[in-house]
Amino acid sequence: EAGVTQFPSHSVIEKGQTVTLRCDPISGHDNLYWYRRVMGKEIKFLLHFVKESKQDESGMPNNRFLAERTGGTYSTLKVQPAELEDSGVYFCASSQTGGGYNEQFFGPGTRLTVL
Amino acid sequence: QKEVEQDPGPLSVPEGAIVSLNCTYSNSAFQYFMWYRQYSRKGPELLMYTYSSGNKEDGRFTAQVDKSSKYISLFIRDSQPSDSATYLCAMSALAAGNKLTFGGGTRVLVKP
Repeated sequence: EAGVTQFPSHSVIEKGQTVTLRCDPISGHDNLYWYRRVMGKEIKFLLHFVKESKQDESGMPNNRFLAERTGGTYSTLKVQPAELEDSGVYFCASSQTGGGYNEQFFGPGTRLTVL
Repeated sequence: QKEVEQDPGPLSVPEGAIVSLNCTYSNSAFQYFMWYRQYSRKGPELLMYTYSSGNKEDGRFTAQVDKSSKYISLFIRDSQPSDSATYLCAMSALAAGNKLTFGGGTRVLVKP
């Protein structure tokens, strides 16, 4: 079974440009999470989808970030316009829904560099 | 102050030694305590999770959680060069949608 996939693996853009990151979760996983690691800092939560609904977007840094999850399948995270401080590695994770603990499976990440 | 504190290392040990990693945290609402391993340019991979306080063993790995002290540990016995990676502790609470709160990670190098 395929794991969580993310595209692109690396993106280099100029400040002020727009970038869209994509995440394909494991099939059947209702929960989809976005995280980000800025250089020198810990991985931080951005937001959580349950199917197509945003359950928690408390970690989104500002309104330049827009996340969507079409039909409860893949998700996109758009940064518009990008700023220098948006550089980092963006991870997506997915998990099943059920009582108690459900393992979050991570994708390989998208490394975003804003110049 | 960070919610989860973790020594960044690096921690260098000879092959066969015991690796000892730990994290402290401040949020008493955390219920699940995870250890992830991350290789360079890869995503985090779950090693073990523990619910509430107690010990859990899986092969060469032992996880311990002491909620009274807000302290968790991971021990790796008979360490191998392939164990060289960054180890991340993470915590979550069911009421918060199980979003993960990570420590900064500890780099471990196991020398042959």
